Formats: sequence, structure tokens, C-alpha cells
Amino acid sequence: EADIYQTPRYLVIGTGKKITLECSQTMGHDKMYWYQQDPGMELHLIHYSYGVNSTEKGDLSSESTVSRIRTEHFPLTLESARPSHTSQYLCASSPSGPWFEQFFGPGTRLTVL
Amino acid sequence: KQEVTQIPAALSVPEGENLVLNCSFTDSAIYNLQWFRQDPGKGLTSLLLIQSSQREQTSGRLNASLDKSSGRSTLYIAASQPGDSATYLCAVSIGGNKLVFGAGTILRVKS
Repeated sequence: EADIYQTPRYLVIGTGKKITLECSQTMGHDKMYWYQQDPGMELHLIHYSYGVNSTEKGDLSSESTVSRIRTEHFPLTLESARPSHTSQYLCASSPSGPWFEQFFGPGTRLTVL
Repeated sequence: KQEVTQIPAALSVPEGENLVLNCSFTDSAIYNLQWFRQDPGKGLTSLLLIQSSQREQTSGRLNASLDKSSGRSTLYIAASQPGDSATYLCAVSIGGNKLVFGAGTILRVKS
């Protein structure tokens, strides 16, 4: 079944740890996105990719980094987690072209102590 | 800079009532508009997608309209049910497939 997956769903971690949030999609979409959502607030785009080896920063500044080595995989990494990184992180994908809808994964809720 | 506003911020209605959620955007240069549903602590479920050339889309009890020139969209929910309780998000697609989101309307349908 074509879908978009995120792991882990929940993560509680101490300050200074390196973490990687995984996102995979089986829909063959070229474009993938990472959004950050603080409780009760809007989603903000932090990274996006138009295809393999293509990554761009979004509208909201983020200390995280991303990579796109395979079409289906778009991991997000924080080298040194801080309490200010506590948030929900949502991954999405879409076909190429601005007319197509974006499909979202279930999200990863990150808490940094 | 595109800004999306959703009104009301929260809404509580009795079961069976028809209701309207509003979304406005400041720049009419959009490719499409999407309505999403988000349950607490979960991801987003796409409800309806309206292309910029379209006026409305329907899916079951949901109907969304788009007036691009005035920068407005409405989501109409007919015969609301407790299962409709969620946060409803509006987002517009701008250049490069980027979505700009509103803050959402928290809907509670009381049984």
C-alpha cells in the first residue's frame, strides 16, 4: 500500500544528543518536505527536496539538516538536541508540479529534556 | 509575503448542525488550496483540494469553495457528527510547491 511513514512516533531525549528522524514514502513522489509544528501553532516549512541530491531550506530557520540520497527516503538530523527543539515534526511528499496535493505522515513528537 | 488566517479559532456546536469554517489569504497568486483535518497529536489528513481555476469541491458531507480574487475559502460541513471533532487547517500552495498554513479552527461537536 502506498503511504508515508515516520519513525519514531515519539522521542524523549536528553540535551546534547544527536538524533535522526526518519521519513519514507512508497508513492514514488519526487518532492518531500519537513514541517515543524509547535503546540497550537501553524505548521512551518523547514526543509524541502525536489529530488535525489536536492535539498533546500524552508521559510522557518532550523538548526536541523536533511539529506536525500534515495527518492523514497528523507531523514532529518539534529546534531545536538536542545530543549528549544521540542516540537512536532511532520514529513510530507507530493508529485512534481505545484498543482498536486501534499500527503502527510503521522508525525514525530520530539521532547528534549 | 503570503499570510493565511482562519476564523473562528475555535467552534463548539451541537451534533447535527451545519457549519462553516473560514479561511482568508493575502496574495491571490496561488496554485491551489487544501483543507486538512488534524486529530490531537497526529498528522494531517487531506480533505479537499481546490485548484486555482476551480470554484468548489465536494466530498461527502464536506464542501469547499474558493474565491481567489477576494482571497477567501470556506469549508462547509453538513450534519456535523462528534467524529468530526478535530482541528481543521487551510493551506495555500505558492511557488515551488510550498504550502502556507493557517493556524487552524478547533472544532468540537457535542453529542
